[in-house]
Amino acid sequence: TQLLEQSPQFLSIQEGENLTVYCNSSSVFSSLQWYRQEPGEGPVLLVTVVTGGEVKKLKRLTFQFGDARKDSSLHITAAQPGDTGLYLCAGAQPNSGYALNFGKGTSLLVTP
Amino acid sequence: DTAVSQTPKYLVTQMGNDKSIKCEQNLGHDTMYWYKQDSKKFLKIMFSYNNKELIINETVPNRFSPKSPDKAHLNLHINSLELGDSAVYFCASSQLGYGNTIYFGEGSWLTVV
Repeated sequence: TQLLEQSPQFLSIQEGENLTVYCNSSSVFSSLQWYRQEPGEGPVLLVTVVTGGEVKKLKRLTFQFGDARKDSSLHITAAQPGDTGLYLCAGAQPNSGYALNFGKGTSLLVTP
Repeated sequence: DTAVSQTPKYLVTQMGNDKSIKCEQNLGHDTMYWYKQDSKKFLKIMFSYNNKELIINETVPNRFSPKSPDKAHLNLHINSLELGDSAVYFCASSQLGYGNTIYFGEGSWLTVV
């Protein structure tokens, strides 16, 4: 069972465009995290959202946690080629020993 | 200094062989993990250790055996390698608790031929 569903799976846009990536679940999470993975490297944490309805900003990236703590979104404003990568949402379930379950990821390609 | 380091980075081996991947973290974390990322980039938890004790063992063939000699090391040994074992294996560590950052190594690319 895939707990976290991400959409879209692939996204190819031009520099300067805006985009939103979604992470949805039927389960409630105490927190959700967003990671970014570049080719040949491991995922790196971007942000952790904890409170329902919470909005966090990281430069051009805006993260939102749903009110019911079942979903999250990542919005990128004026995307740049350096934003290219695999974006992963992740959450821990109470019976998972705190290990994160990851969504299948969104592969983003930003072309100049 | 690399926070989570794993070796080897690349490994090509024949079916039926036994191989190990080593992992060390210098962050002082009490929990370490092994994740497997398949060709479709899906990252799935395999094992989780807290202070050398196994706390998660997902549905993984028993050909995979993690070993934690101390809380800074978590090695993965794989017996009788199969073609389907080809993937990228990531070691990771964190402090135990919800919402804590998990730090990943750079991955070990395993190809079974």
